[in-house]
Amino acid sequence: DSGVTQTPKHLITATGQRVTLRCSPRSGDLSVYWYQQSLDQGLQFLIHYYNGEERAKGNILERFSAQQFPDLHSELNLSSLELGDSALYFCASSENQGWEKLFFGSGTQLSVL
Amino acid sequence: KNEVEQSPQNLTAQEGEFITINCSYSVGISALHWLQQHPGGGIVSLFMLSSGKKKHGRLIATINIQEKHSSLHITASHPRDSAVYICAVSLGGGTSYGKLTFGQGTILTVHP
Repeated sequence: DSGVTQTPKHLITATGQRVTLRCSPRSGDLSVYWYQQSLDQGLQFLIHYYNGEERAKGNILERFSAQQFPDLHSELNLSSLELGDSALYFCASSENQGWEKLFFGSGTQLSVL
Repeated sequence: KNEVEQSPQNLTAQEGEFITINCSYSVGISALHWLQQHPGGGIVSLFMLSSGKKKHGRLIATINIQEKHSSLHITASHPRDSAVYICAVSLGGGTSYGKLTFGQGTILTVHP
């Protein structure tokens, strides 16, 4: 058990809908990272939050947004969903800003039908 | 050309064999990670390194910064080592070492 909790584990929805994925980091970790794993693109970095502030953005679509709350949990919001958004979404946490081991959650499997 | 290339893509071994997975990258990096992903999807960080060599149990990771190359070795392989092994690099320093670029992964199957 990594100590990082992601909910829900599975999510099935329809095109055009909006969903929210949640990540609770390990106790004491200030950084949360979001990654997307799809069959065609593999793993890709989406976004990094540190202590409530956005620190880096990767290949994150404009339809996607994220935030980190004062209790350090983070949410990834995906809107106007398309079939191609179907993927496994991971979050990871680290104590500071990543110059240390990353701890991954078990992922949320999103299926857009 | 991908910035991070792994080889081989698939690897089959017999229990007890010594295994090597290679990772080459094309740009300067601040850190390299080796990750393990088991069937069912969970990802575990095995190593993070920026120079030299690290060892944990039967796993050894090395990196050669000048040659832009890293290897992951598994000694005395076991069927429970069967997983996807992923190399990932952090391209820049500054404030986000977790902004990773990933290799395509190596699927390892170890037969008893």
